[in-house]
Amino acid sequence: QQQVRQSPQSLTVWEGETAILNCSYEDSTFDYFPWYWQFPRESPALLIAIRPVSNKKEDGRFTIFFNKREKKLSLHITDSQPGDSATYFCAASPTNTGKLTFGDGTVLTVKP
Amino acid sequence: GPKVLQIPSHQIIDMGQMVTLNCDPVSNHLYFYWYKQILGQQMEFLVNFYNGKVMEKSKLFKDQFSVERPDGSYFTLKIQPTALEDSAVYFCASSFWGGSYEQYFGPGTRLTVL
Repeated sequence: QQQVRQSPQSLTVWEGETAILNCSYEDSTFDYFPWYWQFPRESPALLIAIRPVSNKKEDGRFTIFFNKREKKLSLHITDSQPGDSATYFCAASPTNTGKLTFGDGTVLTVKP
Repeated sequence: GPKVLQIPSHQIIDMGQMVTLNCDPVSNHLYFYWYKQILGQQMEFLVNFYNGKVMEKSKLFKDQFSVERPDGSYFTLKIQPTALEDSAVYFCASSFWGGSYEQYFGPGTRLTVL
């Protein structure tokens, strides 16, 4: 059973629109949720992360909304730019371990 | 920003041979990780390493796998002997703190076992 699931598999939006990427998880011991993005031929890089003490984390145009009860979170990208086109990975790890569990990723394409 | 390097970027070997994947972590980082990604699947945790010891390993970290970081040089993943199912992209990561802190990833080594 996959512990971290992402949807949709791929998403296309127009420049200026808001892109919404979804993530859900199974393990209730997970308490750290980073989102990584990866551009072609580059390393995955940390974009933004949240811990369950809060239900929202904002960093510029990127916002994570977190629902602990439903074990769901989403990444909202407002005013999407073509440079945001990448694969986005939701990940999770339990308390005090570095063992990240990744989702399959969402491929985002932003059309100019 | 800080960069993790991996050598080589591609490696093709025959089944049964030994292979060593090399990782040059961020210079002041203390925690090191390997992840495996089979084509079309998600990245999966293999092992983490701190202070010369394996801290935790997954069921994917078979007996044929070993890791070390001799004298603060490369952090290595050795597979001996290799099997066809070891074909994957292997990502190295490092972090300054353990636990739930940012891991910096390398670009991956694509291993093909024939």
